[in-house]
Amino acid sequence: AQTVTQSQPEMSVQEAETVTLSCTYDTSESDYYLFWYKQPPSRQMILVIRQEAYKQQNATENRFSVNFQKAAKSFSLKISDSQLGDAAMYFCAYRVPTNFGNEKLTFGTGTRLTIIP
Amino acid sequence: GAVVSQHPSRVICKSGTSVKIECRSLDFQATTMFWYRQFPKQSLMLMATSNEGSKATYEQGVEKDKFLINHASLTLSTLTVTSAHPEDSSFYICSASLGFGQPQHFGDGTRLSIL
Repeated sequence: AQTVTQSQPEMSVQEAETVTLSCTYDTSESDYYLFWYKQPPSRQMILVIRQEAYKQQNATENRFSVNFQKAAKSFSLKISDSQLGDAAMYFCAYRVPTNFGNEKLTFGTGTRLTIIP
Repeated sequence: GAVVSQHPSRVICKSGTSVKIECRSLDFQATTMFWYRQFPKQSLMLMATSNEGSKATYEQGVEKDKFLINHASLTLSTLTVTSAHPEDSSFYICSASLGFGQPQHFGDGTRLSIL
């Protein structure tokens, strides 16, 4: 079974600084997708960034970037120039293609990120 | 694009009541939707996969007779918590995917409180 591990229950960063959230996963699959989702106090799940396992290039979305190390099964999220609005629970998630359209997400336990003004 | 609407956002009801939660894909068709449950300060746990026109696929340990799922159209899936009890109180979230390889988009969730 696939597992996703986030070893940092809580992290804090000074506003405008950079922070990295860790995620490791365990799988025997070669083709899969990795995601970072953000859940602010409103509880809505917001997609932050996505990485396809077959792509060597690390995904980036504005201030958000990932360090994807396939051999190490590591998928960390770097947030640059942290803003107060980045404060949220961050979940790493893994998905392997199963049947068409039936692709389950497996979530990590989350990291609560606090931004210090 | 890719908006998923979930209703209601909050339900408070007495023990023994059945509660229906709706999940709609507003601007796309979703052959598959997913239902999650989230306890306070915990991660999302997949309850079941809802398939349009067929029976839902439940995760191990989830009672299918307790959590009824209907996916009657390409834009609507419903989760009915039957004869709800206080232990069913939780945050329920649905999601839908645009298709193979596409990210899942989530509804805003439903906070269910059983008195």
